[in-house]
Amino acid sequence: KAGVTQTPRYLIKTRGQQVTLSCSPISGHRSVSWYQQTPGQGLQFLFEYFSETQRNKGNFPGRFSGRQFSNSRSEMNVSTLELGDSALYLCASSVVGSGELFFGEGSRLTVL
Amino acid sequence: GESVGLHLPTLSVQEGDNSIINCAYSNSASDYFIWYKQESGKGPQFIIDIRSNMDKRQGQRVTVLLNKTVKHLSLQIAATQPGDSAVYFCAEDGRDDKIIFGKGTRLHILP
Repeated sequence: KAGVTQTPRYLIKTRGQQVTLSCSPISGHRSVSWYQQTPGQGLQFLFEYFSETQRNKGNFPGRFSGRQFSNSRSEMNVSTLELGDSALYLCASSVVGSGELFFGEGSRLTVL
Repeated sequence: GESVGLHLPTLSVQEGDNSIINCAYSNSASDYFIWYKQESGKGPQFIIDIRSNMDKRQGQRVTVLLNKTVKHLSLQIAATQPGDSAVYFCAEDGRDDKIIFGKGTRLHILP
């Protein structure tokens, strides 16, 4: 069974630009969560989607948004990038209601 | 509020010894706790979980202990091996299916 796939793996943007990250969950997993990982703050919860609906949201500004498609694939978008948005963005899929998250390898975003 | 923290950012253990990684949580409503392991360049990987109606749960070479009175969680790794070198995160589910992670402990294995 294929794991969680995230694209792109690495990207460099400049301040003010926007970025879209993609996540393909494990087949059969309908819940997708996104996390931001930085050395100082650890893993911070961004949002969770299930059946194309956002079920939970973390404490991030409105510049961070996401969506889920009917095939459970998910995207997250960050607009008006700031230097502090440089981080590893991790996507995880799961069976809904399960704490066993299956993570992808992440998308490493560098904002210059 | 919702926060999960760890007592030590780094832990060094001799190969073959047992490792104990600690975690404190603050949300008394949390009823489900998980430990994850993250190796360099990879996403976190599920190790073991425990529900709040249990005090102890054992897996292969790992044991999780939960003390709800003091809101403390620990992960014990028996006979630590070089492959155990990683960052370990505790995480909690505060009954809203939102999994919140602590900041992690880096485990170093000494030869």
